[in-house]
Amino acid sequence: DAKTTQPNSMESNEEEPVHLPCNHSTISGTDYIHWYRQLPSQGPEYVIHGLTSNVNNRMASLAIAEDRKSSTLILHRATLRDAAVYYCILRDVYNAGNMLTFGGGTRLMVKP
Amino acid sequence: EAQVTQNPRYLITVTGKKLTVTCSQNMNHEYMSWYRQDPGLGLRQIYYSMNVEVTDKGDVPEGYKVSRKEKRNFPLILESPSPNQTSLYFCASSSTVSTGTQYFGPGTRLTVL
Repeated sequence: DAKTTQPNSMESNEEEPVHLPCNHSTISGTDYIHWYRQLPSQGPEYVIHGLTSNVNNRMASLAIAEDRKSSTLILHRATLRDAAVYYCILRDVYNAGNMLTFGGGTRLMVKP
Repeated sequence: EAQVTQNPRYLITVTGKKLTVTCSQNMNHEYMSWYRQDPGLGLRQIYYSMNVEVTDKGDVPEGYKVSRKEKRNFPLILESPSPNQTSLYFCASSSTVSTGTQYFGPGTRLTVL
């Protein structure tokens, strides 16, 4: 699977929007973009995924660049509970092992 | 409630003493897998299973065994644990192999002395 690059950490104020960037310049046409997060002392949690079009769900929005070489996870109103490590992951649709390759992720800190 | 459960959550053992970490899911998922998480190395896949009686190696299978006799259960077996298997272990499941989202268990923190 292609590699992703994320900032090591970001800070946000509570109740403000947060934009978490991810670069994936070597993405292939069959790679889905997945976002997971891991809260302290918990297992990773699925947030959102997409292929080409922007996606929205109850947790977040995913904005995908037109050339698909970057994407942004948007938390519309950060809460203290959103403090976590956020992972941007590419998964080839033909990945037989369904393996998720977790990189370093972005540690999001939310200030009250 | 849809969930993946793991037991035990914490385990301290000694080198060479066989142990099993259980994983169970109640979502009727075909796919299950095991990861280990180590500082600086992220999460790495150990084994996965696409369905009952179908298992395959992930990135770091050495020293581990798995079995998938029932759809809901996917135990991780350490026949002869060693200190380098001290880690945080996560079980995960998903409904579709190619694009499904994965649900992770709460983790098992294993210490091998």
